[in-house]
Amino acid sequence: DAGITQSPRHKVTETGTPVTLRCHQTENHRYMYWYRQDPGHGLRLIHYSYGVKDTDKGEVSDGYSVSRSKTEDFLLTLESATSSQTSVYFCAISESTPYNNQPQHFGDGTRLSIL
Amino acid sequence: QKEVEQDPGPLSVPEGAIVSLNCTYSNSAFQYFMWYRQYSRKGPELLMYTYSSGNKEDGRFTAQVDKSSKYISLFIRDSQPSDSATYLCAMRKGGSEKLVFGKGTKLTVNP
Repeated sequence: DAGITQSPRHKVTETGTPVTLRCHQTENHRYMYWYRQDPGHGLRLIHYSYGVKDTDKGEVSDGYSVSRSKTEDFLLTLESATSSQTSVYFCAISESTPYNNQPQHFGDGTRLSIL
Repeated sequence: QKEVEQDPGPLSVPEGAIVSLNCTYSNSAFQYFMWYRQYSRKGPELLMYTYSSGNKEDGRFTAQVDKSSKYISLFIRDSQPSDSATYLCAMRKGGSEKLVFGKGTKLTVNP
């Protein structure tokens, strides 16, 4: 296993509440990613980070923010959750460098339901 | 046109069969190609990682990339019930960290 822990594993919350999901890695990899997986859409990139305090947007970033204050932790925040953000969220890590592309490895996901 | 197309199946085969899974893509800039296996309620697990065209073999799994046709394949020999899962293809451009995924093919191998 790639040494990735996502928390919580399951969460049910109400529309309009803030939600923060955590991804913790023990591999000291530079890159970390947040994806969501929905039926009919597959996996889509929300945000990613290429170092402490260095982040960039993915394909579906609206309504989400991220923070990375330590190499090992990458947080995904839904400032005001909506029902359309009900999904399974996956964190991934990669030991890519600017000179060496490497594949991504995934955690086991967080199931988020927004009622 | 979607950047990556993958037949969602479902695909059902008997144990011991050879399985062929495929993806087509439209962006000729893709250089890195991956296959992931995803069991129910688990995260995707990397199976194969290839660069550019050609074949790569790992045990019962063979990945093929044909860049001229924009077509990639994963072959599973002597399929086992434990191979029952959803298989995702993914690809990215050189110098980019952004993966583009297919929607996945659900495979069932019947004992």
